[in-house]
Amino acid sequence: GAGVSQTPSNKVTEKGKYVELRCDPISGHTALYWYRQSLGQGPEFLIYFQGTGAADDSGLPNDRFFAVRPEGSVSTLKIQRTERGDSAVYLCASSPDIGGSYEQYFGPGTRLTVT
Amino acid sequence: AQTVTQSQPEMSVQEAETVTLSCTYDTSESDYYLFWYKQPPSRQMILVIRQEAYKQQNATENRFSVNFQKAAKSFSLKISDSQLGDAAMYFCAYRRFGNQFYFGTGTSLTVIP
Repeated sequence: GAGVSQTPSNKVTEKGKYVELRCDPISGHTALYWYRQSLGQGPEFLIYFQGTGAADDSGLPNDRFFAVRPEGSVSTLKIQRTERGDSAVYLCASSPDIGGSYEQYFGPGTRLTVT
Repeated sequence: AQTVTQSQPEMSVQEAETVTLSCTYDTSESDYYLFWYKQPPSRQMILVIRQEAYKQQNATENRFSVNFQKAAKSFSLKISDSQLGDAAMYFCAYRRFGNQFYFGTGTSLTVIP
């Protein structure tokens, strides 16, 4: 079956611009997670959704970052007034539920470059 | 806050040999889960193996096994009969019930033919 997909795979933008990164989770997965992976680092948690609501957004670095999941499926991570420090790979993952030892299935990521 | 430490930024192993990747973590919780993920150059994170903290028996998945030492908060990954396709970044991850993963900084594994 189809895995987690993310679009675009690469995004180059100028400092100060607005960007949207999209995540299509595995069908039926209720939990969706966003991570940011900087060069040479492990993924860092940003936010996760259980259904349509953000269950934990404590990892968002500041109010320039926002994510939505209006229908409990596709999610969009939005970054306003981008800065060069936002350059990273943004990973999305989905899971059947938040409980137990459920595996998180990761997408291939979106590489964001802010020039 | 939970922290996960991988003290080996790079490791190499001869094809068909065995290699062990180290991971330690810090937590005050008694109930949690531990994972090893593999990330090849394609960036896709792939689950290698998982361990429930309440289980004393070490998890195994074919050529992959773990040495889980709960008291020492240690969770190492052993790869037996290493293959060229095992070359990748390996991330150790900690997860509390229902919550997000906390990842280590990764170990880059090179397999020498």
